[in-house]
Amino acid sequence: GAGVSQTPSNKVTEKGKYVELRCDPISGHTALYWYRQSLGQGPEFLIYFQGTGAADDSGLPNDRFFAVRPEGSVSTLKIQRTERGDSAVYLCASSLASGLKNEQYFGPGTRLTVT
Amino acid sequence: GQQVMQIPQYQHVQEGEDFTTYCNSSTTLSNIQWYKQRPGGHPVFLIQLVKSGEVKKQKRLTFQFGEAKKNSSLHITATQTTDVGTYFCAGTGGGNKLTFGTGTQLKVEL
Repeated sequence: GAGVSQTPSNKVTEKGKYVELRCDPISGHTALYWYRQSLGQGPEFLIYFQGTGAADDSGLPNDRFFAVRPEGSVSTLKIQRTERGDSAVYLCASSLASGLKNEQYFGPGTRLTVT
Repeated sequence: GQQVMQIPQYQHVQEGEDFTTYCNSSTTLSNIQWYKQRPGGHPVFLIQLVKSGEVKKQKRLTFQFGEAKKNSSLHITATQTTDVGTYFCAGTGGGNKLTFGTGTQLKVEL
């Protein structure tokens, strides 16, 4: 595709519910990243995939958060038992390579609101 | 863990004035990237600096990477209304995990 796409663009859910956020990276990009951005703050790293495997998941806040990328392309971020503090914009980014040439292209984000 | 701070947090300038944002890391960085985020938008990559003391220019934008690879700056000459947005630096310590700075929000008034 032309760029990174994310669905849904907005998600409102009740506290305690389960949500899935989808990211479709730029075709051919092997690296995929998830970030969380709260109002007035910079993106906060959650997890990074190289291909199908999670190369670095040190940013996941707790075990309610999980992400997969089964075929090395589309990725899904899963949040169980959502809490109001999970409300934020969840950004996905992809890059062509890793290492020093990891210029990242961001998607428009999914705004998650937990009521 | 690694922390990246930026100053100032906000900057209001008159169109045509210069603008500078400073980025400081608590640890030595492997490389630093700069992103711009327009209001309501997502971060857009501007540039990456890798070498100690490196300076790169993009039209009215000048980026510097400190000699110790712990700080960086972005300078905009003669700001325009199209420069409005939040500028983030983001650094890596050697892997692929980007740590974003706190950002500087720039507002340009006519």
